[in-house]
This record gives sequence, C-alpha cells and structure tokens, in this order.
Amino acid sequence: GAVVSQHPSWVICKSGTSVKIECRSLDFQATTMFWYRQFPKQSLMLMATSNEGSKATYEQGVEKDKFLINHASLTLSTLTVTSAHPEDSSFYICSAHEASGQETQYFGPGTRLLVL
Amino acid sequence: EDQVTQSPEALRLQEGESSSLNCSYTVSGLRGLFWYRQDPGKGPEFLFTLYSAGEEKEKERLKATLTKKESFLHITAPKPEDSATYLCAVHGNKLVFGAGTILRVKS
Repeated sequence: GAVVSQHPSWVICKSGTSVKIECRSLDFQATTMFWYRQFPKQSLMLMATSNEGSKATYEQGVEKDKFLINHASLTLSTLTVTSAHPEDSSFYICSAHEASGQETQYFGPGTRLLVL
Repeated sequence: EDQVTQSPEALRLQEGESSSLNCSYTVSGLRGLFWYRQDPGKGPEFLFTLYSAGEEKEKERLKATLTKKESFLHITAPKPEDSATYLCAVHGNKLVFGAGTILRVKS
C-alpha cells in the first residue's frame, strides 16, 4: 500500500504560538490530501480536504483562519495551527488517495500536539 | 447524514477464540466501506475496502463481509498481536468513521 509520512510526530508548544505539521506522500503523487483530528478515545473527524494548487475545503465548524492548509506540491500538504490554545491539543492525522479515482485513503502516523 | 455505528465498543477474547465485529451504516450513495486497524498513538492502517453487498475479502486471520446495511469483520483464531482498535468507515461524500471496537486478545 501507499506510504504517507508526517512530521513532526509530536510537538509541545506554548499557548499563542503557531505550529506547522507536514504530510508527505512518499511513493505516489496525491492531488488530494485530507486532515483529520482525533481526540482521546474518540474516532477520527475530517477537518478539511487539501487540494493541490487550490484552496482547501473545510468541514463545518472548522475555522479556516485558525487551521491554515497549504498543498503546494503533489507530495506535500501542510497544516498550520495558528495561535494555538490548550483546546487545540489533539492527535492530527493526514491521509491521501494512492491514485486518482481510488477511494481508499492511506493514513500517516499522526502528530500529537500538546499546547500548554 | 451518513452514520456509522460499531459494536461492541470493546471485546476481550482468549487467544484462539474466534469472533466478529459489527459495523452498521447509513449512507447516501456508498462509494466504499473501509476497515482500518489503529494501534495506540498511531495512524489507521488500511485493511480492506468493500464496494458492494455480497463482497468478501480476507487477509490472514481477518475476513470482511458486506451487506446493504452492515459489515462484519470476522477474526479467526486471534492472537495477542491482533489486539488493536478496529475502525469502520463509509465513503459517501466524505469518509465517516465509526467510534471503533477495542479488541484485546489474551494469551
């Protein structure tokens, strides 16, 4: 299956700072990537769909100005949590389709964010 | 709105004790039903994709089946290394996940 990586795997930051998370498709090109958030003992919730070369599509209730998404190339999407607060602490996971038209999403290993 | 309900929430099995996990769903326009395995602190690992009722797929001790309303993940003679959270998701307009079933297999 396709391989998706994320960096960093975990990050601790102070309240009010911004944090950038990278998501890379290692062995395929991804025109679309997805960003999910998972709170403890809960399932994954889609935050936004990242489209290469165009604006991301955000799910209802997700603040686009707080969670900035950039999909500058076919193998890289970034999520920046701006002015992070403790309630933003969560497990952030990205995913991508291996090929256009394929529905299966392959997930990265996730990034644990702790905002103090 | 697309919905996925998984049962049971948690399941404890003895090594070798076969069982099934259930995933009930409602979706407008099913584009696929997916099973993933998630270990603590890690991203979901892809297991199966099912597209139409009657379809079955197998991988080692796991077998996934699909009807128009639900999917089952059958685990035959599980081993301790099968312990994980198993997630079911349906793709209508987007991927919607169930809450998962936490499986613990004791030796």
